[in-house]
Amino acid sequence: AQSVTQLGSHVSVSEGALVLLRCNYSSSVPPYLFWYVQYPNQGLQLLLKYTSAATLVKGINGFEAEFKKSETSFHLTKPSAHMSDAAEYFCAVSGRLTGGGNKLTFGTGTQLKVEL
Amino acid sequence: DAGVIQSPRHEVTEMGQEVTLRCKPISGHDYLFWYRQTMMRGLELLIYFNNNVPIDDSGMPEDRFSAKMPNASFSTLKIQPSEPRDSAVYFCASSAPQGSSYEQYFGPGTRLTVT
Repeated sequence: AQSVTQLGSHVSVSEGALVLLRCNYSSSVPPYLFWYVQYPNQGLQLLLKYTSAATLVKGINGFEAEFKKSETSFHLTKPSAHMSDAAEYFCAVSGRLTGGGNKLTFGTGTQLKVEL
Repeated sequence: DAGVIQSPRHEVTEMGQEVTLRCKPISGHDYLFWYRQTMMRGLELLIYFNNNVPIDDSGMPEDRFSAKMPNASFSTLKIQPSEPRDSAVYFCASSAPQGSSYEQYFGPGTRLTVT
């Protein structure tokens, strides 16, 4: 079974400041991990994914995340926030199951607010 | 590719009416997922299909909800009869065959309002 915990349902940063959104996972099998972003009135869009290659994963819009097995974490970062980054962010985990399908378990989401 | 297509984008209906939501997955994807998103419950997986066959419908809230996938390019989620508590945004997502990258691609959603 897999689960994801996102710490902080709301995060507020100033424009130009570091963005750090936290995600911890639990998985009984080696995980695949994902970050999705949802802008208002839109569907979820994939930001980046970890699939057992490099532990530091780079995604779109300048975001990156680091897989840390010892900490069971997959935190999302961006060096400098932009107003356009304001959105809701979801962390998700999938187990590498054989015959189990591509089912994802999502976290509860973190709303990112960017202030001038 | 056009991505996952959902229709309608908005649906307003009265309690007791039948509602049908439609989804066209990305061509070549053999997994299809239906989710519901509300402020109170967040993003919930309702049901998913593999090669048009329902695999897990444990998230379907009750018998009023049903989903079908008659072919690889079309799926429906039906609510009959609808109730105000069904008001939510319903998303469809698809993903490529198992053993590939596992990520799901989401449609724009259908915003359902039941009055």
